[in-house]
Amino acid sequence: TQLLEQSPQFLSIQEGENLTVYCNSSSVFSSLQWYRQEPGEGPVLLVTVVTGGEVKKLKRLTFQFGDARKDSSLHITAAQPGDTGLYLCAAPRGGGFKTIFGAGTRLFVKA
Amino acid sequence: EAGVTQFPSHSVIEKGQTVTLRCDPISGHDNLYWYRRVMGKEIKFLLHFVKESKQDESGMPNNRFLAERTGGTYSTLKVQPAELEDSGVYFCASSQVTGGWSPLHFGNGTRLTVT
Repeated sequence: TQLLEQSPQFLSIQEGENLTVYCNSSSVFSSLQWYRQEPGEGPVLLVTVVTGGEVKKLKRLTFQFGDARKDSSLHITAAQPGDTGLYLCAAPRGGGFKTIFGAGTRLFVKA
Repeated sequence: EAGVTQFPSHSVIEKGQTVTLRCDPISGHDNLYWYRRVMGKEIKFLLHFVKESKQDESGMPNNRFLAERTGGTYSTLKVQPAELEDSGVYFCASSQVTGGWSPLHFGNGTRLTVT
């Protein structure tokens, strides 16, 4: 059983469309991160959210941390082909330095 | 600033052989981590170094895996003998913050295929 459940697993959309992907858990986290990974590369940090209800914006990407700090969403406005990639949510776990990851949402934006 | 570098980028070996993966973290980063993704699954934690000391190796699958970080700089992860289920992408990551958790800077990974 995964601690971080991401949905959908795969999403294929046309350029210009909006989309939202989700990261859910039954556990409470002190913070949550979103990473993006492109083929042949490692994950790259996009954002960290810390406070319940927090909203952060990164250009056309909007990240929200749930009020109870158990879930998060990533909304992309007017998606572009450059947004194509694997979006991963992650969170610290175990009281130490360990990070756990969701399985990711693979996004494909068609031109 | 140079990022986290991993070598090799790909490795194909036969079952029973030995493979050694190398990771050079970002200069000045005391924390170094190894993670692994096997096909279709999420990225999973293997172990964590602070400088040359192993802080947490709870994710190491079994004693066929040996990680070292001599001198607190680069790290190696050796798999001996390799088994088919060891195939996957091995990521190294580093972070600077000490005394607490911080987000990770990843290398591009080593794709290991055991045949």
